[in-house]
Amino acid sequence: QLQLQESGPGLVKPSETLSLTCTVSGASISSNHYWGWIRQPPGKGLEWIGSIYYSGRTNYNPSLKSRVTLSVDTSKNQFSLRLTPVTAADTAIYFCARHVDYADYVRWFDPWGQGSLVTVSS
Amino acid sequence: EIVMTQSPATLSVSPGESATLSCRASQSIGSNLAWYQQKPGQAPRLLIYGASTRATGIPARFSGSGSGTEFTLTISSLQSEDFAVYHCQQYNDWPPWTFGQGTKVEIK
Repeated sequence: QLQLQESGPGLVKPSETLSLTCTVSGASISSNHYWGWIRQPPGKGLEWIGSIYYSGRTNYNPSLKSRVTLSVDTSKNQFSLRLTPVTAADTAIYFCARHVDYADYVRWFDPWGQGSLVTVSS
Repeated sequence: EIVMTQSPATLSVSPGESATLSCRASQSIGSNLAWYQQKPGQAPRLLIYGASTRATGIPARFSGSGSGTEFTLTISSLQSEDFAVYHCQQYNDWPPWTFGQGTKVEIK
């Protein structure tokens, strides 16, 4: 059974770097799917951040592209998010998820990790 | 960027009744729409993809319909575990993949 788990600091200071890692278990990250990050500010909707293929190919949300870097470590079956510099507006629950590639077309997210709350505050 | 708009923001329904949720795309997305259910403190769960295909393990009381710019999620005979927030997401034109702002289904 495929499972994803986010890990990383829960508190980040303004202007610094948010770093999260998603560990994939139950399947190889080197499968024919992308792996994505989505965030949800408290009480608000979902925002896609970016997705990465095991080869390192990436797609980023244009609204965040200048501040986001995704990376993948196939030896550890992990992928990671780096967002810098952060402001209070980046406070959110950050989810990782498999971004399903079906018939060479990247589509929906399934399954999701449980989420990691990151607060940006001094 | 395709903007997804969900309505209503909150829907009050009695257990056993049906709920109809709407999702509108700012331009045609064919049938490239997914629905998710999110319970408090939990991650979203895929319910529907392809606008009308239920994901594995999703009960038949959940049904999706629509194409183009107008989509509907219907939950028939609401159970206690169905009270949650529902999100729609388009995957027709990307990046970015975009979500609606969510509809909360609450107990009346």
